[in-house]
Amino acid sequence: TQLLEQSPQFLSIQEGENLTVYCNSSSVFSSLQWYRQEPGEGPVLLVTVVTGGEVKKLKRLTFQFGDARKDSSLHITAAQPGDTGLYLCAARRNNAGNMLTFGGGTRLMVKP
Amino acid sequence: DTAVSQTPKYLVTQMGNDKSIKCEQNLGHDTMYWYKQDSKKFLKIMFSYNNKELIINETVPNRFSPKSPDKAHLNLHINSLELGDSAVYFCASSRRSTEAFFGQGTRLTVV
Repeated sequence: TQLLEQSPQFLSIQEGENLTVYCNSSSVFSSLQWYRQEPGEGPVLLVTVVTGGEVKKLKRLTFQFGDARKDSSLHITAAQPGDTGLYLCAARRNNAGNMLTFGGGTRLMVKP
Repeated sequence: DTAVSQTPKYLVTQMGNDKSIKCEQNLGHDTMYWYKQDSKKFLKIMFSYNNKELIINETVPNRFSPKSPDKAHLNLHINSLELGDSAVYFCASSRRSTEAFFGQGTRLTVV
């Protein structure tokens, strides 16, 4: 079993639709990060959430950290084709030398 | 200037060979990592290294070994390559527990 479970694994939507991606765990984290990866590139950080219940906005993207700091969500409003990519959540495992561990990812395709 | 650079970008080699992938970061970060991304896009941590400590994911075969000649470099050596080693390998760096910056990846194909 993975430390971080992401859902859905795949999502194909039309331009203009809204969507939510989830990242869940049974572990508590001091912080959680969201990355976006485009084909042929490495992941790039979008946001870090630290406080339970925290909400951060990045243009049309809204990130929320669960009150218990075990889960997080990413909501995209009015998706655009440029949002297409692989979205990854990541957290550090305190019992594994603080290594940054990733969820399985959500592959998003936004059709024009 | 590229923050985290890896070479080569593509590597095709035969089973049984030994190969190395190089990684350099010019960000002054104290921690570097190697990740393996398989065909299903799952990004798996292999190693975490700073100037004091190497942390190895226990699932990584001992045919894989990181070598760090200095704080700015963490190279990945792979011995006796197998078909299942085919994947994209990413190097990354961070300052302690902050944001990780990734290289563009090395696509390894073992034939």
